[in-house]
Amino acid sequence: SQTIHQWPATLVQPVGSPLSLECTVEGTSNPNLYWYRQAAGRGLQLLFYSVGIGQISSEVPQNLSASRPQDRQFILSSKKLLLSDSGFYLCAWSLAGVSETQYFGPGTRLLVL
Amino acid sequence: GENVEQHPSTLSVQEGDSAVIKCTYSDSASNYFPWYKQELGKRPQLIIDIRSNVGEKKDQRIAVTLNKTAKHFSLHITETQPEDSAVYFCAATPGSYIPTFGRGTSLIVHP
Repeated sequence: SQTIHQWPATLVQPVGSPLSLECTVEGTSNPNLYWYRQAAGRGLQLLFYSVGIGQISSEVPQNLSASRPQDRQFILSSKKLLLSDSGFYLCAWSLAGVSETQYFGPGTRLLVL
Repeated sequence: GENVEQHPSTLSVQEGDSAVIKCTYSDSASNYFPWYKQELGKRPQLIIDIRSNVGEKKDQRIAVTLNKTAKHFSLHITETQPEDSAVYFCAATPGSYIPTFGRGTSLIVHP
């Protein structure tokens, strides 16, 4: 069966510091991968999605970037964090070309101070 | 692009009552409609979904209905229990496989 991992689970970072969040999927090949951000008490905002290695689409202009160095690895980065980057970051996957159903990882809670 | 409206934003019911959450969508190309439940501090989890070739789907106490003509779909929870308390998200997905989510409904079930 498929499993999705995210780490770290929680992160507290100062404004201006860099960020790297990692997501990996096990048990499937060539998944579609997604990064979402959820502000406290709010909905899901799609940040990036990827249909293959090195293929990244950005949904909103922002302070963040994403990379997919391996088939089942998706990384969210920032060079300099802003206060507004605080939130709950969720990675998700779906079976490319087979199913639209998205399955979410456990999330990373980021607090920028 | 797709636009999904979800109502109500908050729903408070007594244990044992039914709860209904409604969503409307704008893109007639959307053909897949999942519902997710998100408990406090946890990840959203798929609870039920429906495709555009089906009008209704049930799974024990939950059901989803879809009206393609009117472009709306609803989640029905019967015999609510305190553990049903959570935020529920609907989504509409066109052929691009990128879903558009509603803003969520906070369901509170009072014992």
